[in-house]
Amino acid sequence: EAGVAQSPRYKIIEKRQSVAFWCNPISGHATLYWYQQILGQGPKLLIQFQNNGVVDDSQLPKDRFSAERLKGVDSTLKIQPAKLEDSAVYLCASSFTGGAAGYTFGSGTRLTVV
Amino acid sequence: GENVEQHPSTLSVQEGDSAVIKCTYSDSASNYFPWYKQELGKGPQLIIDIRSNVGEKKDQRIAVTLNKTAKHFSLHITETQPEDSAVYFCAASGAQAGTALIFGKGTTLSVSS
Repeated sequence: EAGVAQSPRYKIIEKRQSVAFWCNPISGHATLYWYQQILGQGPKLLIQFQNNGVVDDSQLPKDRFSAERLKGVDSTLKIQPAKLEDSAVYLCASSFTGGAAGYTFGSGTRLTVV
Repeated sequence: GENVEQHPSTLSVQEGDSAVIKCTYSDSASNYFPWYKQELGKGPQLIIDIRSNVGEKKDQRIAVTLNKTAKHFSLHITETQPEDSAVYFCAASGAQAGTALIFGKGTTLSVSS
């Protein structure tokens, strides 16, 4: 089966600019996650969707980050305006069951804010 | 909420030696513990997992052990090879629907030949 697709692979922007990342999960996977991975650290959950509804966005900095999953398939994560500390890899993952088991990660988008 | 601590942060071994990475978790309700391997420029890939009703699980050269009483679990890699060099992450969660994984900070394993 095709894996989790993410784009772009790399993005460099200046602080205060906006940026968007796109994720296409594995077909049939109802649950989609966005994680932020700062260099040298483990992935940190930003938001979890079940179909097109939000399950957990408690760690999402809502003053600058937003995410949506229209029609319960693809998802976009947006940052506006970006800060230097947003430099990280943004990972998308999906799972079929809705539980933590069976996560499949995409390759991520590496964001550099200068 | 759940907190996962992982040690060591770096580990260097000779090819053929064994490697052990340890994690502790804080939430006694957590019952699913996967391990992920992340190579440079790639997303984490699941290599083995264990649930709380099992004490040990093996898959070829990889094994995971779980001590629920002490709230710690470990990854054991035997007969290490250079291609085992990567960053390894442990994680924990309740496996019921709607529960996301909480990750440790990772261990960079270097296997020299």
